[in-house]
Amino acid sequence: DADVTQTPRNRITKTGKRIMLECSQTKGHDRMYWYRQDPGLGLQLIYYSFDVKDINKGEISDGYSVSRQAQAKFSLSLESAIPNQTALYFCATRLQGYGYTFGSGTRLTVV
Amino acid sequence: GIQVEQSPPDLILQEGANSTLRCNFSDSVNNLQWFHQNPWGQLINLFYIPSGTKQNGRLSATTVATERYSLLYISSSQTTDSGVYFCAVEQRGGSEKLVFGKGTKLTVNP
Repeated sequence: DADVTQTPRNRITKTGKRIMLECSQTKGHDRMYWYRQDPGLGLQLIYYSFDVKDINKGEISDGYSVSRQAQAKFSLSLESAIPNQTALYFCATRLQGYGYTFGSGTRLTVV
Repeated sequence: GIQVEQSPPDLILQEGANSTLRCNFSDSVNNLQWFHQNPWGQLINLFYIPSGTKQNGRLSATTVATERYSLLYISSSQTTDSGVYFCAVEQRGGSEKLVFGKGTKLTVNP
């Protein structure tokens, strides 16, 4: 099993729908992150969490919300999806002072 | 915030050739990683290298933290090396978050 698991792998949704992307990890890391990648670009940080009670906004948090349900689970929600949120979404985890481990990504299309 | 610049933006090689990718960053860093994004979109961690030199098979990396750059070397390139290579850094004294460069797109032709 992968250390960092994202579900779903692919999703097509309609404008205005609520959608949740889920991330779970088996590495025991305290820090978790959500990134977004637009075609041909690098990754941009949406939200990050250092523990269950510590959640922080990243560079592009507008239109998104998150929930850290447990140390191992970090979910990203789009309350009302819009077409320019079509992108590849990555979850990542780490321990302080060590490298980041990324999930396989969720490809989201909003039509 | 910290700026990360990668060069070249695009690189086309024949199979078997060697290449060097460069990452410049604008401030001191706690963390520097190199990633390979394959054609299916997966991000593969190549190196965690805030300083020094590491090697893994045909790939090696060197970070000179005092001069704020890192190099990724690919030797005897293969078609499976194709994809985008990202450098990402975490600024020392800043928030604990990884900032990505725009990547180098590598195409290895048979």
